[in-house]
Amino acid sequence: GAGVSQSPRYKVAKRGQDVALRCDPISGHVSLFWYQQALGQGPEFLTYFQNEAQLDKSGLPSDRFFAERPEGSVSTLKIQRTQQEDSAVYLCASKPPGVYEQYFGPGTRLTVT
Amino acid sequence: SQQGEEDPQALSIQEGENATMNCSYKTSINNLQWYRQNSGRGLVHLILIRSNEREKHSGRLRVTLDTSKKSSSLLITASRAADTASYFCATDAAGGYQKVTFGTGTKLQVIP
Repeated sequence: GAGVSQSPRYKVAKRGQDVALRCDPISGHVSLFWYQQALGQGPEFLTYFQNEAQLDKSGLPSDRFFAERPEGSVSTLKIQRTQQEDSAVYLCASKPPGVYEQYFGPGTRLTVT
Repeated sequence: SQQGEEDPQALSIQEGENATMNCSYKTSINNLQWYRQNSGRGLVHLILIRSNEREKHSGRLRVTLDTSKKSSSLLITASRAADTASYFCATDAAGGYQKVTFGTGTKLQVIP
């Protein structure tokens, strides 16, 4: 079956632009996570959804970051007024109920110039 | 912030040798997982060890967990060039909802 997909795979934005990153989780996966991975570092948690409910957004670095999952499947991470420090790979992961293993998408590499 | 720290940060070995990488973490955990990341396949789950387990095997992988020292090790035996990747430990806090916190990673290079 299809894995987690993310689009676009690469995004270049000028500083100050808004961007929207999409995640299509595996069908039936209730939990969805977003992570930010800077070069040479491990993924850092941003936010977590269970179905359409955003249960934890403690990792979002500022109010410029916003995530939604309105129908409990596809999720979008939006970054407003992008800054250079937002340059990173944004990873999405999903998992079914009752297991700990997360299934990761390929990521979106965001470069802010 | 990163919960775990792996060491070494980088490791280079010859094909056929064993590779050992270590992870230390800060708070009590339910489980510890190891993930591999390479450019070809992204981030992939390798193995999970529960807080009440001390050792676990899966194929060429052996994981140990010492909760008293808050540390874990991942051993890859008979390494192959295809094992070249970054390896991350990931912990979920005791009493949490399975949110995991990743370590800083060990970059492994296996030379053919």
